[in-house]
Amino acid sequence: DAKTTQPNSMESNEEEPVHLPCNHSTISGTDYIHWYRQLPSQGPEYVIHGLTSNVNNRMASLAIAEDRKSSTLILHRATLRDAAVYYCIPPNQAGTALIFGKGTTLSVSS
Amino acid sequence: DTGVSQNPRHKITKRGQNVTFRCDPISEHNRLYWYRQTLGQGPEFLTYFQNEAQLEKSRLLSDRFSAERPKGSFSTLEIQRTEQGDSAMYLCASSFSGGGAFFGQGTRLTVV
Repeated sequence: DAKTTQPNSMESNEEEPVHLPCNHSTISGTDYIHWYRQLPSQGPEYVIHGLTSNVNNRMASLAIAEDRKSSTLILHRATLRDAAVYYCIPPNQAGTALIFGKGTTLSVSS
Repeated sequence: DTGVSQNPRHKITKRGQNVTFRCDPISEHNRLYWYRQTLGQGPEFLTYFQNEAQLEKSRLLSDRFSAERPKGSFSTLEIQRTEQGDSAMYLCASSFSGGGAFFGQGTRLTVV
């Protein structure tokens, strides 16, 4: 399976942009790269997914490196409600299941 | 569509008993996933269906766990002879092929 590396934690101030990096240098397969987040005491929530080029939706933007070995989730203006654990999930050669790692805990201060 | 629905929301059972959980995915989603999550940990993959076919099953899943999706719609997860270590939140998610997965609220299992 693709080895995923994310920072354990990151901090941001409200209203500032946040760039959450993910390294998946051993990526294999041609399936999508997914990002999810989990707010305290809630189930995981889909954020965004992409294949090769950058993707935007109402929640975030996803920048994918040309070689697909890394990706960055971009929150354009962090709010207190964005404080959560963010999971990057690259495709894995073993199959198409979504395998969660440890994620990055994002703290947002006012 | 009201999203992914899981029942029951909470289950308390005695050690050694069998339990069954149900997941109703978003209509027409062909993929369905089961996860287990304990406090402070990320969701742990258990198994995954595409339509009615169980395509992947975690090596960590013991023989006491079984899942079905008989008609490619709802799914059940059964745990036989429950142990205290099975206490966790059990999460179900569904998606279209290649799409983002949407999670239910989970079933919290407590084994006493």
